[in-house]
Amino acid sequence: GQQVMQIPQYQHVQEGEDFTTYCNSSTTLSNIQWYKQRPGGHPVFLIQLVKSGEVKKQKRLTFQFGEAKKNSSLHITATQTTDVGTYFCAGDNYGQNFVFGPGTRLSVLP
Amino acid sequence: ETGVTQSPTHLIKTRGQQVTLRCSSQSGHNTVSWYQQALGQGPQFIFQYYREEENGRGNFPPRFSGLQFPNYSSELNVNALELDDSALYLCASSPRPSPETYEQYFGPGTRLTVT
Repeated sequence: GQQVMQIPQYQHVQEGEDFTTYCNSSTTLSNIQWYKQRPGGHPVFLIQLVKSGEVKKQKRLTFQFGEAKKNSSLHITATQTTDVGTYFCAGDNYGQNFVFGPGTRLSVLP
Repeated sequence: ETGVTQSPTHLIKTRGQQVTLRCSSQSGHNTVSWYQQALGQGPQFIFQYYREEENGRGNFPPRFSGLQFPNYSSELNVNALELDDSALYLCASSPRPSPETYEQYFGPGTRLTVT
């Protein structure tokens, strides 16, 4: 079945440093979504990417969808303590429902 | 516009018992998906309901069942609870079902502990 992997599993950064998490699927995806989950909270939808090679920006966050639609990345510029949490990618395999990756846990040291 | 709500917040059950978890979808959303999230892991898809019918199911045994009501609220039922069922159960509502692309809005979850 479809598998979604994320690296790294954990990332510790100093406030102001950049952060990137990578998502890889074993199968081609129709679209990919990114979610953020704060400690003790629930996943919150960040963005959805649909087109091959698509790049979307939300303030300090940049999301990319690979040309082959099998990988994606989330880059945060100049991290802040409010960025702390676990970032999940979730891939949709053409209507087979979303498969979430294991997440990347980000901690930001002030 | 009201968000997704779930009840109860926490629940403790004994192995072998049955449990029912409830979810009210966001206003205007007709699709509800249920996920199981074990500690330190990503959410695992259990099933999705659209217009009171199951619309896709993940790799979970039949003792996991669900319902959706005419007002689009939903229930997740788990029979013969096992220790490994201890997890956060998340409900997510969306304006459209699979296979259309859709944003999912998660509720706060129900923390189930099986002893």
